[in-house]
Amino acid sequence: DTGVSQNPRHKITKRGQNVTFRCDPISEHNRLYWYRQTLGQGPEFLTYFQNEAQLEKSRLLSDRFSAERPKGSFSTLEIQRTEQGDSAMYLCASSWVGLQETQYFGPGTRLLVL
Amino acid sequence: RKEVEQDPGPFNVPEGATVAFNCTYSNSASQSFFWYRQDCRKEPKLLMSVYSSGNEDGRFTAQLNRASQYISLLIRDSKLSDSATYLCVVSSNFGNEKLTFGTGTRLTIIP
Repeated sequence: DTGVSQNPRHKITKRGQNVTFRCDPISEHNRLYWYRQTLGQGPEFLTYFQNEAQLEKSRLLSDRFSAERPKGSFSTLEIQRTEQGDSAMYLCASSWVGLQETQYFGPGTRLLVL
Repeated sequence: RKEVEQDPGPFNVPEGATVAFNCTYSNSASQSFFWYRQDCRKEPKLLMSVYSSGNEDGRFTAQLNRASQYISLLIRDSKLSDSATYLCVVSSNFGNEKLTFGTGTRLTIIP
């Protein structure tokens, strides 16, 4: 399978715990994006990387959230001290920067904070 | 006001009918426009790109009106497999930066 992969697919945690999600983009893609989607809403942009550089962060990305892409390949999204409002689907997408490029999404990690 | 606005539906349409969705966007600097399809509990997938005057792909036609800042999606001869949520998406830089999504319009095709 050469698509975007995400792990874990589901995560249940208790409020206050830390969680980390991983995204493996399509291998030749140099851009990687994180989005969050809550029930009944469209995905909302969180942050994106070009290679290992984090180029933009949304205001939605509070201090409890951190994302990394240390070698320009896979990326991790960590949420510290989770809150019930963090419950959502976390989607990763990747693309090859160029003219009119398509972002391909992974299957997402569904987080439930109890 | 949301950057991208769509009627959330639901639209319940008989099989074989034609259905149209509209979407408006507020950022006049938007450069690229897309329709994504999302099946229940799945990831969004690109359905069509809309760049200039419109785009047609089989039963699907997307139109862009820059002056009025809206885009539309027309589905002809609808199939049961068209049942999904259709997300209107805009980008300020040809899709190379963040995508801004509407809330989505839920479509159910009825046999």
